[in-house]
Amino acid sequence: SQTIHQWPATLVQPVGSPLSLECTVEGTSNPNLYWYRQAAGRGLQLLFYSVGIGQISSEVPQNLSASRPQDRQFILSSKKLLLSDSGFYLCAWSGTTGGGYGYTFGSGTRLTVV
Amino acid sequence: DAKTTQPTSMDCAEGRAANLPCNHSTISGNEYVYWYRQIHSQGPQYIIHGLKNNETNEMASLIITEDRKSSTLILPHATLRDTAVYYCIVRGHSGAGSYQLTFGKGTKLSVIP
Repeated sequence: SQTIHQWPATLVQPVGSPLSLECTVEGTSNPNLYWYRQAAGRGLQLLFYSVGIGQISSEVPQNLSASRPQDRQFILSSKKLLLSDSGFYLCAWSGTTGGGYGYTFGSGTRLTVV
Repeated sequence: DAKTTQPTSMDCAEGRAANLPCNHSTISGNEYVYWYRQIHSQGPQYIIHGLKNNETNEMASLIITEDRKSSTLILPHATLRDTAVYYCIVRGHSGAGSYQLTFGKGTKLSVIP
């Protein structure tokens, strides 16, 4: 069965420090991969999605970047964190055929920038 | 632009059926209706989806009106663990934008003992 792993679960980082969040998927190949963010009291916002290795689409311009170095690995990064980067970050995957059961989400990383 | 409209919040007594409505009057012919829920501090969880026929699985039932402009998610016997934010989402399975699952504000369902 397919599983998605996301870590760390919680993270406290100072302003100006770098960030690297990692997400891996098991049990499937060539998945579509996504990074979402949920700020406190707000809805889920799609940040990036990827349909293949090295292919990244950005939905919202900001202080973050994403990379997909391997088929089932998706990384969210920042060179210098801002206070506004605080939030709940979620990785998700979906099949490439479009239909099916939609997305499967990871358990999320709660990032607090101080 | 919001593709779906849901009530902000609802209460349901434990053991009773929870009926969560969703309006999607601008849905196009190739768009599916998806339901997800998010329990506090967890990632969203897929519940069910449908195109035009009513659907049922082990978690819930989805009733879609004949004109497809609205739908209702039914949790037949709500438990305290069903307390969550429920999202109704319309999404195509092909073409531009089909990769994206766009979440609105959802309905905060509180199941009361």
